[in-house]
Amino acid sequence: GAVVSQHPSWVICKSGTSVKIECRSLDFQATTMFWYRQFPKQSLMLMATSNEGSKATYEQGVEKDKFLINHASLTLSTLTVTSAHPEDSSFYICSAASGTSGSTETQYFGPGTRLLVL
Amino acid sequence: QKEVEQDPGPLSVPEGAIVSLNCTYSNSAFQYFMWYRQYSRKGPELLMYTYSSGNKEDGRFTAQVDKSSKYISLFIRDSQPSDSATYLCAMTGNQFYFGTGTSLTVIP
Repeated sequence: GAVVSQHPSWVICKSGTSVKIECRSLDFQATTMFWYRQFPKQSLMLMATSNEGSKATYEQGVEKDKFLINHASLTLSTLTVTSAHPEDSSFYICSAASGTSGSTETQYFGPGTRLLVL
Repeated sequence: QKEVEQDPGPLSVPEGAIVSLNCTYSNSAFQYFMWYRQYSRKGPELLMYTYSSGNKEDGRFTAQVDKSSKYISLFIRDSQPSDSATYLCAMTGNQFYFGTGTSLTVIP
């Protein structure tokens, strides 16, 4: 159980275009979803936390207008990188957690999406 | 002081060795403790999940939590080349905190 999928697994796009990444919890309802980015050989960097039906909470330094997050249902969250530039090229990973409000026991990660902006 | 401290390594061991990976933390409110394994270019995979102090064993893996010392460990017995990965500790009370990860290489 506790499977999280991400789509697409990799994407190449031109500078200035927008890219949408989907994150789905396949066999459980995720009250909270998280979006991370990871540069090569570096640790996970939390970008934002989203709860179903409410606005995402962004970490300091993450542009909310640049990285749009929508958590429309308990099984789906999307991250849209708007007007992507080469410096946005990275590995984006989502995770999902279940649990009562204010308490999440563990996170289950998706396989990641590799974004390359040319 | 960081909430969670983890030695980034890298750590290299011969096949068959016992591996010990550790994290320390500062927040006594943490209740749930996790270890994730991440292969290159893949998302982290949950390995072990423990609640409060004590040991938990799963095959070749043993997770240990010492809340009095604010110290958690992951032991890997009979390490295999396929164990070569980055290992992340994580813990949560109301928020999640991750260690920076320890890179492990098991040499055949």
